[in-house]
Amino acid sequence: AQSVTQLDSQVPVFEEAPVELRCNYSSSVSVYLFWYVQYPNQGLQLLLKYLSGSTLVESINGFEAEFNKSQTSFHLRKPSVHISDTAEYFCAATNGGSQGNLIFGKGTKLSVKP
Amino acid sequence: ETGVTQSPTHLIKTRGQQVTLRCSSQSGHNTVSWYQQALGQGPQFIFQYYREEENGRGNFPPRFSGLQFPNYSSELNVNALELDDSALYLCASSLVEDRGYTFGSGTRLTVV
Repeated sequence: AQSVTQLDSQVPVFEEAPVELRCNYSSSVSVYLFWYVQYPNQGLQLLLKYLSGSTLVESINGFEAEFNKSQTSFHLRKPSVHISDTAEYFCAATNGGSQGNLIFGKGTKLSVKP
Repeated sequence: ETGVTQSPTHLIKTRGQQVTLRCSSQSGHNTVSWYQQALGQGPQFIFQYYREEENGRGNFPPRFSGLQFPNYSSELNVNALELDDSALYLCASSLVEDRGYTFGSGTRLTVV
């Protein structure tokens, strides 16, 4: 069965420092990958997604993630974080079938400190 | 784009009662999915509807049921509520061809 593992439950960093949130997936079939962000008491917002093509995908607010098939990873990175990036981040995967339900990791809480 | 809207935002129910949660899909989206997010966990897939028919189901008992209407709005019904049903329930709509899932802000259900 497909699964998604987020290796860090909490990541504290200082403002303007770089950050990497790790995500590994297990799937024997082709997979689509997503990162979602959830601010307190809110729903999920799509940050970026990999469907096909270039393995490096970027979001409009400076995050990027790289699909690495050999390592079955889709780590999220940002070179310089802001206080406003404090939130919980979820990695998710779905296979290429028509059902397409998302399998989520348990989330990583990013805390950006001044 | 109108986005995905869910109602109500918060709800308190007593164990054994029944609840209906509602979701209005993003305009043009033909698929709706429901997820349960327990405190401190990632969302878990409940089921998905495509063109008014259930198109997949996660590991949830039959007391979790749903409907999708011709205008693509949707309902999640939960019967015989249990304390463990307390969670944030998220609705997501998408075009099945696109894999672009748009989530609502959720309904926070508390069962006492």
